[in-house]
Amino acid sequence: DTGVSQDPRHKITKRGQNVTFRCDPISEHNRLYWYRQTLGQGPEFLTYFQNEAQLEKSRLLSDRFSAERPKGSFSTLEIQRTEQGDSAMYLCASSQTRDSPLHFGNGTRLTVT
Amino acid sequence: TQLLEQSPQFLSIQEGENLTVYCNSSSVFSSLQWYRQEPGEGPVLLVTVVTGGEVKKLKRLTFQFGDARKDSSLHITAAQTGDTGLYLCAGLPNQGGKLIFGQGTELSVKP
Repeated sequence: DTGVSQDPRHKITKRGQNVTFRCDPISEHNRLYWYRQTLGQGPEFLTYFQNEAQLEKSRLLSDRFSAERPKGSFSTLEIQRTEQGDSAMYLCASSQTRDSPLHFGNGTRLTVT
Repeated sequence: TQLLEQSPQFLSIQEGENLTVYCNSSSVFSSLQWYRQEPGEGPVLLVTVVTGGEVKKLKRLTFQFGDARKDSSLHITAAQTGDTGLYLCAGLPNQGGKLIFGQGTELSVKP
């Protein structure tokens, strides 16, 4: 169990640029989740996958956000035309089943200037 | 939309004191999980409670799931400085697959 890894750990970008984050889940985990977290707050759900199928996407997620999990293994989260309000910690988590606890990565901290 | 309200949002206590964190909702959850998060890291699972009325103990931490499976509490006895962190409750709804998190309780234990 090598844990969930996320890359990069930190990203600073200018407003209007596109950014892409990567998440590698625990290898035998079918489910993969993306959450967003601002300082001192709880994680806010963005989207989740079961294998390669994206099963749910938050209504809070604008069309500028897209996530993929092409082969049911790693996942990418892309944010187009970034805005200052996108600045946050983006957390990825994986689990074996719906009822299993989530294993989180250490997140990607995005700063939009 | 199912929401989980955590209280208090901030808690600053002296080492050796006891504390309780509450997690409340108007919705029923099939299970409830508690996580602890340190700065710069992802949340780490402490416990999962599944049955209404269930009580679980993890050393000095006691977790309780409400009888109606709508609320939960975390009690820490004789807090230590190492307990400092962000405590998060998270509920799994009966329908759907996403875990819903509360706002978190920022605990600071001073020596």
